[in-house]
Amino acid sequence: DTGVSQNPRHKITKRGQNVTFRCDPISEHNRLYWYRQTLGQGPEFLTYFQNEAQLEKSRLLSDRFSAERPKGSFSTLEIQRTEQGDSAMYLCASSLGIGNEQFFGPGTRLTVL
Amino acid sequence: SQQGEEDPQALSIQEGENATMNCSYKTSINNLQWYRQNSGRGLVHLILIRSNEREKHSGRLRVTLDTSKKSSSLLITASRAADTASYFCATEDTGRRALTFGSGTRLQVQP
Repeated sequence: DTGVSQNPRHKITKRGQNVTFRCDPISEHNRLYWYRQTLGQGPEFLTYFQNEAQLEKSRLLSDRFSAERPKGSFSTLEIQRTEQGDSAMYLCASSLGIGNEQFFGPGTRLTVL
Repeated sequence: SQQGEEDPQALSIQEGENATMNCSYKTSINNLQWYRQNSGRGLVHLILIRSNEREKHSGRLRVTLDTSKKSSSLLITASRAADTASYFCATEDTGRRALTFGSGTRLQVQP
């Protein structure tokens, strides 16, 4: 499968725990994006990378959230001290260059109890 | 924050009928992209239309873009039960690279 992959697909955690999600983009894509989607809403942008550089962060990305793309390939999104309001689908997308299609992965569904 | 609005929010039609969904947005854009999402799944890219284009076709899909009215429409012809899903428009705003999504249209195609 040469599409965007995300792991895990589901994560259930208790409030206060830390979680980490991984995204593997399409191999030749230099841009990688993270979005969050809650039930009944469209995805909302969190942050994006061009190669290993994090170029934009949304104000939704509180200081409990951190994202990395250390070698310009896969990316991780970590949420520290999770809260119930963090429960959502976390989506990763990748694109090649500027102004082209963004292709999404299947998402990681986070449930914070 | 959500950029635009899809209209209608929900649409129910019979198999074989055409489905039209509209999207409005507020800013200047580089392009507009349409996606499909089945319940609880990821987003599937349908079509991208650039700001200097007015119409694009892909199979049973037809997308139009009117930048003067800041609106777009997605037409699905000869709908099938498998087209049942939520459809989202997303804009790549001028000066940004992230997409801004609307809240989607939930399409139900009755067999």
